[in-house]
Formats: sequence, C-alpha cells, structure tokens
Amino acid sequence: GQQVMQIPQYQHVQEGEDFTTYCNSSTTLSNIQWYKQRPGGHPVFLIQLVKSGEVKKQKRLTFQFGEAKKNSSLHITATQTTDVGTYFCAGPDSNYQLIWGAGTKLIIKP
Amino acid sequence: NAGVMQNPRHLVRRRGQEARLRCSPMKGHSHVYWYRQLPEEGLKFMVYLQKENIIDESGMPKERFSAEFPKEGPSILRIQQVVRGDSAAYFCASSPLSGINEQFFGPGTRLTVL
Repeated sequence: GQQVMQIPQYQHVQEGEDFTTYCNSSTTLSNIQWYKQRPGGHPVFLIQLVKSGEVKKQKRLTFQFGEAKKNSSLHITATQTTDVGTYFCAGPDSNYQLIWGAGTKLIIKP
Repeated sequence: NAGVMQNPRHLVRRRGQEARLRCSPMKGHSHVYWYRQLPEEGLKFMVYLQKENIIDESGMPKERFSAEFPKEGPSILRIQQVVRGDSAAYFCASSPLSGINEQFFGPGTRLTVL
C-alpha cells in the first residue's frame, strides 16, 4: 500500500541552528500537509501544498513540494525553543484518507 | 466556534473493563477520524466516519474495538475488555470535507489500562 516515509526520526539542534525534515511518498500525491505536535499536545495543521514545485513560507518555516509531487520538506531557520515538537507530513491516498509520516522530533539541546 | 472536543481527557481502566471515548467535531464538520498514538510514536489511523456511516475502518482491530457517529451526538470509540496494550493517546480529528482537506484535532484522550 501507499507509504509516506519521513526522516530523520529525531534531530537535536542548538538553539539558533537550522532544522530540516524530509517526507517521501511511494506514490504521487494530490497534496501534502504538515502538522506540528507540541510535547503532550495534539497535532495542529500548519500548511497544505498542492502545486508541483510549490514553496511556501511562514516566518522562519519554509515548506517545499517536489516537482514530481512525491516528496516534501520543512525547513526551520534559526530554531527557537518554541519550535520544539514533532513535525508530521501527511498526504491523501486514492481513497482520500491521509497517510501519515512517522514524524520528526525536534529537540533543542540545552 | 469551538474546536474539536474530546472527553474524557484522561481515562483509567482496569484490564477487562470497557472504555468509551467521545468526540464532538467542529460545528459544520461531518467527517470524523480516530487515531491512536503510542508514546514517542506517530499517528496510527483507526477509523473514518461520516454521520451514521463507517467509511473506512481498516486501521481498527477487528475485535473489541468499535466506532460510531450517530445522527445526533458525539462520535464514540468503544474498546471492550481493555488490555494493557490499549494504553495510548486516542485523538479524534474532524474535517468539513474528505481527507483531502486539513484535519482539526481534538486534545486527545489518554487511556491508561492498569
């Protein structure tokens, strides 16, 4: 079945360093969604990308959707403690159910 | 407009008891999804419902688990004869349309089975 792979599983950074998580689908996606889950919290929608090659920015966050619509990335510039959490990508399958990546946990080193 | 509501937030059950988890979707949303999340793991899809219909239950165990979304009232996820392995966070999400659109999550129910 369709799979969405997300790497890395964890990323430890110093505050102020950049962070990137990558998402790869086994099939072409009609869209890709990104969510953030703070420790102890619930997933919160961040953004949806629809077009091939699309790039969207939200302040220090940059989201990209690959030309083939099979991969995506989230890049955070100059991380802050408020960025801590797990970032999930998700894309719909042929039945319009969201298939979720396993998430990348961003950890800020003290 | 209130967000997705789930109750209880925390639920403790002994092995063999029943757990009933409730989810009220956002106003105007007719699509409900249930997910399970083990500590330090990702979201595992369980079931997708629309009003009075189960659309996709491929992620839900065949035994002991059931879900409903009646015409009136919240969606219910029911776990019968709970076992320790059922301990997890259960999240409900809703959307106004099908899964192709963003999902709005509730705060979750943390189930602990003693």
